[in-house]
Amino acid sequence: QVQLVQSGAEVKKPGSSVKVSCKASGGTFSSYTISWVRQAPGQGLEWMGRIIPILGIANYAQKFQGRVTITADKSTSTAYMELSSLRSEDTAVYYCASPTGDWGGMDVWGQGTTVTVSS
Amino acid sequence: DIQMTQSPSTLSASVGDRVTITCRASQSISSWLAWYQQKPGKAPKLLIYKASSLESGVPSRFSGSGSGTEFTLTISSLQPDDFATYYCQQYNSYLWTFGQGTKVEIK
Repeated sequence: QVQLVQSGAEVKKPGSSVKVSCKASGGTFSSYTISWVRQAPGQGLEWMGRIIPILGIANYAQKFQGRVTITADKSTSTAYMELSSLRSEDTAVYYCASPTGDWGGMDVWGQGTTVTVSS
Repeated sequence: DIQMTQSPSTLSASVGDRVTITCRASQSISSWLAWYQQKPGKAPKLLIYKASSLESGVPSRFSGSGSGTEFTLTISSLQPDDFATYYCQQYNSYLWTFGQGTKVEIK
C-alpha cells in the first residue's frame, strides 16, 4: 500500500517562498498522480495542482498559476510543491494526495504540513 | 475551472437519521466525482469514487448517486462517528475542484 510522508512545519515571512516535500513508499511512484490540496484555518479543501511523475507534466488551478510549481523526483519517489510570493492568506495545512485505484478518487493522503506566513 | 456547489453548508441531524448532501457541477462531469469525509485535524478520507462506487472499508450506510451535473451522498442511518465535514470533488478535467463542504452537526 502506498504511503505519503510530508516534510515538517514551516514558518515563513511574507514575500518569501516555501517548498514542501511528499515522499512516497510502497508503490510505483511514477505511475501515480500526486495532487496538492490546502486547507486554511477553518476553511474548506482547495485543490492547487497535480503532477504525473511518469510524464513530468504538471497542471495548476487557475488561482495559483504563476505562483506554484509542482515537481517530482522519480529517483527518490518524492514530489514537491513550491509556493512563492507568500502572504498571510497562504497560512494553511498543505496535503499531498494520490488516487491509487483505476477509477480515481484520492485514497492516499500525506499527514499534512502546516505552513505559517507571518512577519 | 469547473465549479462545484454543495448544499447545504451545514446540516443538523440526529443519530439514526437519513442524511442527503447534494453537489452540483457547473458543467457535465460524467461520473467523475468523489466524496470525502474529514474530521478536525485529520486528512480527508475517501468514501465514494466514480460517483457511486464505495471505497473499500467504508460502511455500506454511505452511498453515492448521480451523473452529469447533479450528485448526492446519502448516509442511510447516521452514526455518532459520522459527524464530520463532507466534500465532493470532481476529476473530470485535468483541473480538479472541491465543493465548499457540508458540516454534519449533532441536532
